[in-house]
Amino acid sequence: EPEVTQTPSHQVTQMGQEVILRCVPISNHLYFYWYRQILGQKVEFLVSFYNNEISEKSEIFDDQFSVERPDGSNFTLKIRSTKLEDSAMYFCASSPGVPQLTQYFGPGTRLTVL
Amino acid sequence: GDSVTQMEGPVTLSEEAFLTINCTYTATGYPSLFWYVQYPGEGLQLLLKATKADDKGSNKGFEATYRKETTSFHLEKGSVQVSDSAVYFCALSLTGGGNKLTFGTGTQLKVEL
Repeated sequence: EPEVTQTPSHQVTQMGQEVILRCVPISNHLYFYWYRQILGQKVEFLVSFYNNEISEKSEIFDDQFSVERPDGSNFTLKIRSTKLEDSAMYFCASSPGVPQLTQYFGPGTRLTVL
Repeated sequence: GDSVTQMEGPVTLSEEAFLTINCTYTATGYPSLFWYVQYPGEGLQLLLKATKADDKGSNKGFEATYRKETTSFHLEKGSVQVSDSAVYFCALSLTGGGNKLTFGTGTQLKVEL
């Protein structure tokens, strides 16, 4: 069964450094998402991406964040200058698109900012 | 804005007990509703879904019915197992825009022998 994959599984970085989190969505899916989950808290939406552009973003997704689909398979989340409060589990998800709204999640990348 | 409210956890049950986890929602349109499960140390897995009123989603012995009149989507299982111990998230999605998922806070379930 096809699945969403994410790399790395755990990323440790120093405050102020740039990080890139990588995701490979399911191959025939059209919508791509990033969510985050701070330890012990709810899963929060960051951004959705369709047709090579952002379709919706949350208040969390400020100028420090960017997303890109550099080729036909990868979907990346970049944080330009990490802050301590960016420490969280970051989940990538993909969906076939309307009318099939079900999103399929990757295993997540745990980001630790020191 | 759109929101999902779940019952507070943790919930501790004995094996073979009946499970209910309450979920209610507020949405500006007609959402699709989902239950996701997160096992310890793992990501989110879709458990079941319902896309319109009175639909019943079911999987692995879990069920939930989309109740528009009470804006609810309560999760039930007749006989829980130790392996069901996990965090359960209720979520909604509206068609249009990015179709983002809005999650509840999650309910931790612990099943003991």
